[in-house]
Amino acid sequence: DGGITQSPKYLFRKEGQNVTLSCEQNLNHDAMYWYRQDPGQGLRLIYYSQIVNDFQKGDIAEGYSVSREKKESFPLTVTSAQKNPTAFYLCASSIVQEDGSYEQYFGPGTRLTVT
Amino acid sequence: ELKVEQNPLFLSMQEGKNYTIYCNYSTTSDRLYWYRQDPGKSLESLFVLLSNGAVKQEGRLMASLDTKARLSTLHITAAVHDLSATYFCAVFYSGTYKYIFGTGTRLKVLA
Repeated sequence: DGGITQSPKYLFRKEGQNVTLSCEQNLNHDAMYWYRQDPGQGLRLIYYSQIVNDFQKGDIAEGYSVSREKKESFPLTVTSAQKNPTAFYLCASSIVQEDGSYEQYFGPGTRLTVT
Repeated sequence: ELKVEQNPLFLSMQEGKNYTIYCNYSTTSDRLYWYRQDPGKSLESLFVLLSNGAVKQEGRLMASLDTKARLSTLHITAAVHDLSATYFCAVFYSGTYKYIFGTGTRLKVLA
């Protein structure tokens, strides 16, 4: 059963603590992405990775860190430097399809609440 | 700057009516995606449009792409309550490997 899994679904943390969100895919996709979504808003790109051991900052990388040591895993750490971390976090992966579509698939998301 | 704009942001419509959501993007791309998001859920892929003039239809939804105008439309025919959701368009830029998302259109279909 192929797909993208994110855990946990809900996460609660105290302000000042670092927290790591998990993202795993068994689709054999090369590229992986992390997005943040605030209530009633669109998706903003945090970090993305095209291949193992390489990643790039997105539009809102400050206060976040990632690693890509394995093709199937792309964990996101929300550090205490992130000023307003409460949000819905979505992980995605993509692959070049035969038609060149670069279709992107999303995980179920992690809702992080920091108090 | 890479920008993707959708309008309207909010849409409330009666069942059985037709309407169109517009997606404009600032820089040329030939890959345009439409997604649906239900409240509290992740994004579900609806359509992938790959070339100028591409048209795809699924049920009451039809998407089209005009790359020269940098415009995509999502047309809703005879809306039903089950179509109530937020719809996003996104553009892929192969040079940067990034997807840029629109602001989303929150659709509410009233019975």
